[in-house]
Amino acid sequence: GAVVSQHPSWVICKSGTSVKIECRSLDFQATTMFWYRQFPKQSLMLMATSNEGSKATYEQGVEKDKFLINHASLTLSTLTVTSAHPEDSSFYICSASSSGSFEQYFGPGTRLTVT
Amino acid sequence: GQQLNQSPQSMFIQEGEDVSMNCTSSSIFNTWLWYKQDPGEGPVLLIALYKAGELTSNGRLTAQFGITRKDSFLNISASIPSDVGIYFCAGLTLTNDYKLSFGAGTTVTVRA
Repeated sequence: GAVVSQHPSWVICKSGTSVKIECRSLDFQATTMFWYRQFPKQSLMLMATSNEGSKATYEQGVEKDKFLINHASLTLSTLTVTSAHPEDSSFYICSASSSGSFEQYFGPGTRLTVT
Repeated sequence: GQQLNQSPQSMFIQEGEDVSMNCTSSSIFNTWLWYKQDPGEGPVLLIALYKAGELTSNGRLTAQFGITRKDSFLNISASIPSDVGIYFCAGLTLTNDYKLSFGAGTTVTVRA
């Protein structure tokens, strides 16, 4: 149980285009989903927290207009990187937790490369 | 989030050895979680700890929630090659909107 999927697993896009990443909880209802960014050989950096049906809460320094998050259902959240630039290239990972649970289950991650 | 100090930063193991790593914090946590991340993958939850003093095992893994609630350790007994990876500790406080604070990770590699 507690399986989280992400799609795509990797994506290459041109500078200036937008990319959407999907995060799905496959066997539980995810009332809260989290989006992280991870640079090589570093720990996970929380970007934003989203609760189903509510606006996402962004961490300090994360541009909400650049990283659009939608959590429209209890099984799906999306992260859209708008007007991507090479510095946005990174490993993006989502996690999900169910109501009342402190445990976060992570997706397999999405490798984004902006050329 | 709060800063977690995880050590060691890296370690080399030989098959069959016991491995130990720990996390400390200046803040009190209500929950400690230990994750393992393989290259190019997302972290996988290994053990969750909820009470001070709690000692929990998952196969060859054992983790403890420190009595002061400011530290936790993870032990791997009789290590095998597939134990290689990056291990992260994560702490959660109820006052922080369920957001996890992560340690910097311990990279475990096989000694040649």
